[in-house]
Parts: sequence; C-alpha cells; structure tokens
Amino acid sequence: NFMLTQPHSVSESPGKTVTISCTRSSGNIASSSVQWYQQRPHSAPATLIYEYNQRPSGVPDRFSGSIDSSSNSASLTISGLQSEDEADYYCQSSDYYNLVFGGGTKLTVL
Amino acid sequence: EVQLVESGGGLVKPGGSLRLSCAASGFTFSNYGMNWVRQAPGEGLEWVSSISSNSIHTYYGDSVKGRVTISRDDARNSVYLQLNSLRAEDTAVYYCTKDIYQGQLIFVIDYWGRGTPVTVSS
Repeated sequence: NFMLTQPHSVSESPGKTVTISCTRSSGNIASSSVQWYQQRPHSAPATLIYEYNQRPSGVPDRFSGSIDSSSNSASLTISGLQSEDEADYYCQSSDYYNLVFGGGTKLTVL
Repeated sequence: EVQLVESGGGLVKPGGSLRLSCAASGFTFSNYGMNWVRQAPGEGLEWVSSISSNSIHTYYGDSVKGRVTISRDDARNSVYLQLNSLRAEDTAVYYCTKDIYQGQLIFVIDYWGRGTPVTVSS
C-alpha cells in the first residue's frame, strides 16, 4: 500500500489563493483517480473534487484540482478564499482494492 | 436527493459487537457500490470497508480485517457493517458513503452520510 502525505495546516487571507498538496509515496499519482473532500467543523465530509479535477454540481469553480507527475502529487487550489472555506481537506486515492486517505490539512482563513 | 442515514452506533465494551446500518434513498441503490469510512476523535479519515453493487466483492482495511463484515440488502436499500471483537481504537464516527458510478466499485465517493458514533469503553 501507498501513503498520501498532506501538509498539516495552511493559512491564508480572505480573497487570496491557497494550494494544498497531496504527495503519493509510491506508485504513479496518475494511476488511480484522486479525490478531495472538505470537512467543515462539526460536520460530515463532503466531496469537493473527484477524478483529479471534476467538481460535483454545486461546488463553486473557485475549487480546482490537478496532478503533477514530476512530483507525484495532486493539488487542490482554492481561489478567492472565503471565511466559509475554513475546514479540513482530505485527498484520497486507491490501489489494489484499498481506499487511501491523506492525513488531512487544516485550512485557516486569517 | 441522495440521502444516507446511519444508525446502530453506541457504547460497547471491549470485545463486544455492534451492527451498524445505513438506509439509502434518492438513487437506485442496487446499482452502486457502498463504503464505510470512520474517523476517530480528533483524527483523520480511515477507510473501513467496501462492497460492490452485486455483493460479490467485499474489501476491508487492514486495521479491521477479520473483525468486520460488510453486507447489503438491496430490497431494503440498506448496507450494514458488523463490528466484532471491538477495541478501544475502534472508537470513531462511522460514515456510510456511496460510490460515484453505477456498476463497478471504483472507490470514488460522491455522497456521505452524517455518521453514527461508536464508543468502545469499559
């Protein structure tokens, strides 16, 4: 099995852009789709991005996903930060019938 | 509207058992794979188990393998998680989740339930 490593925390001011990384420890990041989930305080997670860069209906286009094969990582970019974006963000992928989550990144909107 | 409603959580002693249920609505349940994901207090998300749409394939995380059984009843639009030989480290909120596409289970979640808490303590 592989691991997905995320920064423990990031912070940025309202209106700015922030990027959260998710690095795969072994195997190709592009070999299996990457998802991103948002978990606001005291709430269940919700799907933000699926299959690297697809947004479910209702998710604003301020949220975007990408992968970088050179660093074997995926990224979640949030532009035009709003106070409501303050939450925990988790990346997720899979390998050989195992679903793997990153450790999560706490986003603070200053 | 897709809804996933978990139930069955509670306080159980170490070594005990619990059966979690998830009632699904708003989609053709029998066509989709389903998953359970848990979150220990103050911790991140951990995959527990998955079941394919036809119940033929079931998968388990290493930390629960041999102690947990996932099943589904398509007539009742429900998925279940039987937890046995419970340990303190199984204390968590357990979320029922739906796989995104009909047919093959691909471990991509599009909907989450609100979760049911399980506490293992003497």
